[in-house]
Order: sequence, then C-alpha cells, then structure tokens
Amino acid sequence: AQTVTQSQPEMSVQEAETVTLSCTYDTSESDYYLFWYKQPPSRQMILVIRQEAYKQQNATENRFSVNFQKAAKSFSLKISDSQLGDAAMYFCAYRSSWPSGTYKYIFGTGTRLKVLA
Amino acid sequence: NAGVTQTPKFQVLKTGQSMTLQCAQDMNHEYMSWYRQDPGMGLRLIHYSVGAGITDQGEVPNGYNVSRSTTEDFPLRLLSAAPSQTSVYFCASSYGGTETQYFGPGTRLLVL
Repeated sequence: AQTVTQSQPEMSVQEAETVTLSCTYDTSESDYYLFWYKQPPSRQMILVIRQEAYKQQNATENRFSVNFQKAAKSFSLKISDSQLGDAAMYFCAYRSSWPSGTYKYIFGTGTRLKVLA
Repeated sequence: NAGVTQTPKFQVLKTGQSMTLQCAQDMNHEYMSWYRQDPGMGLRLIHYSVGAGITDQGEVPNGYNVSRSTTEDFPLRLLSAAPSQTSVYFCASSYGGTETQYFGPGTRLLVL
C-alpha cells in the first residue's frame, strides 16, 4: 500500500524569505501523480501544484515550485518570497494514475506553515 | 459553476442518531469521494465513486454508507453516530482523466 509522510509538523518562515516543505512517499507503482494542497484557516482545500511522475521536469506555479526526486521518492515544495497569505496547513498527496483504476488519493498528515512579519 | 457544495456546514448529533451529509457538484465529474479530517491525521478516504452506480471503500469506511444514483450527488450516511465520528468531512470531485481534485467547503460534525 502507498504511504505519504510529512515529517515536519510545523515550519516558520520570515516574510519574503524562502521555505521548503518536505514530503516522502512509498509506492511500487511507476506512474502516479503527486500534489500539494493548501488549507488556510477557512478550511477550504486549495490545489497549489501537481506533478506527473512520468515528467522529469519539476512543476512550477509562480512562487511555488517542487523538487521531485523519483528515485528517492521525495516531493518537496519550495515557496519563494513568502507572503503572510501563505500561512496555512500544507498537505502532500499521492494518486495512482488512470491505468491502475484505483483513483485513491492518499494524504500526508500536513505541515503547518507560519509566516512571520 | 457552483463547484462542489456540501450541506450542512455544521451539525451536532447525539450518539445513535443517523444523518446524511450532502455533496453535490455541477462540473459533470465522474469521480467523487468523501474524506474525514482529524487533528494530526491528515485527510483519510472514507468512500469513493468512479461514476453513477459505482462505489468503493476507502481507508476508513466503517460506520458510513454511500450511494451514487446520479453523477451530481454523492451523499454520505451515518447510520448510528458515534463520538469517534466527530470530525470535519470533505467531499471532493474530479473528472476522470485530469486527476485534479476539487474540494467542497467541509462539514463539521460533532457527536455527543
């Protein structure tokens, strides 16, 4: 069974600085998707970025980028130029790709990010 | 588009009561799922559906029932509520091949 591990329960970053959130996963599958979701105090789950395992290029969305290391089964999120609005809970998630047909998403336990003014 | 909607936003139940959490989406998504979120546990999959008439169990299905009679709706039923079911419940949907899941705003359930 697949597992997702976020070993940092809480992180802090100074406004305008850069922070990296860690995520590791375990799977025997070769094709899958990885996601980072943000959950602000409103509880709404917001997709930050996604990565297809078959793509070697790391995904980037504005100030958010990932470091995807498939062999190491690592998927870290880098937030550049941190803003107060980035303060939230961040969840790493895994999903098998279509051919496996399971459609099951597996989430990590989350990392709470605090942004200091 | 309203996206994924959930009702109610908050509910208090007594042990043994039953209730249904409603979830609807207007994006014609095939895949829908229910999660519960507990402190320190992240989101755990309860049940999911890959289309009308097709449902399957997730990681923590005990105490919950689902059905999918239409593409739009995916209700979650608690047959006999227990304090261990106190949690925040999220419904999510995605269109089969795009893999990006869209979440509803959540339902906070308190079982006394």
